[in-house]
Amino acid sequence: KAGVTQTPRYLIKTRGQQVTLSCSPISGHRSVSWYQQTPGQGLQFLFEYFSETQRNKGNFPGRFSGRQFSNSRSEMNVSTLELGDSALYLCASSLKGQQETQYFGPGTRLLVL
Amino acid sequence: GENVEQHPSTLSVQEGDSAVIKCTYSDSASNYFPWYKQELGKRPQLIIDIRSNVGEKKDQRIAVTLNKTAKHFSLHITETQPEDSAVYFCAASIGGGSYIPTFGRGTSLIVHP
Repeated sequence: KAGVTQTPRYLIKTRGQQVTLSCSPISGHRSVSWYQQTPGQGLQFLFEYFSETQRNKGNFPGRFSGRQFSNSRSEMNVSTLELGDSALYLCASSLKGQQETQYFGPGTRLLVL
Repeated sequence: GENVEQHPSTLSVQEGDSAVIKCTYSDSASNYFPWYKQELGKRPQLIIDIRSNVGEKKDQRIAVTLNKTAKHFSLHITETQPEDSAVYFCAASIGGGSYIPTFGRGTSLIVHP
């Protein structure tokens, strides 16, 4: 099976702009989770989608949002970008998402100038 | 919310030695504890996980132990090899139909040949 893919792999934006990141899970996986990874804060959970519904949410402001489509592909949106949003954004997929093996994508590296 | 402390932040060993990484968690309701390995420039990969109804789990050279009373869990790598060099993350999450993991800050393991 093909692994988790994410697009784009690299992105440069300026403060105040918005950005949309995409994640395609492994075929058959219905759960997609998003994470932010930074040197200062480490790996932090953003949210999880399952069957087109946000099932769990981490402690991030409302500028961070997402959605999931019927084919399980997921998008994450960040509005009004801040310098501190510069990070590696990882998505991970699993069959059902409830405390089972998660398979990570390669990530999207976002730089906010 | 949950808080996960991970130690040490850096661990340097000689090839063939054992390596131990420890994590403590704060929420006694946490019941799922995965460990991830992230090589430089690559995506995190699950290497082993343990649930709260188990005290120890082994997979070849890797083992994880859990002490629910003390709220800590540890990763043990025996007969280390240079390819074990990576950043290792622990995580803790509460079950009951949700998966909101809290991660440790990571341990950079360096195995010298």
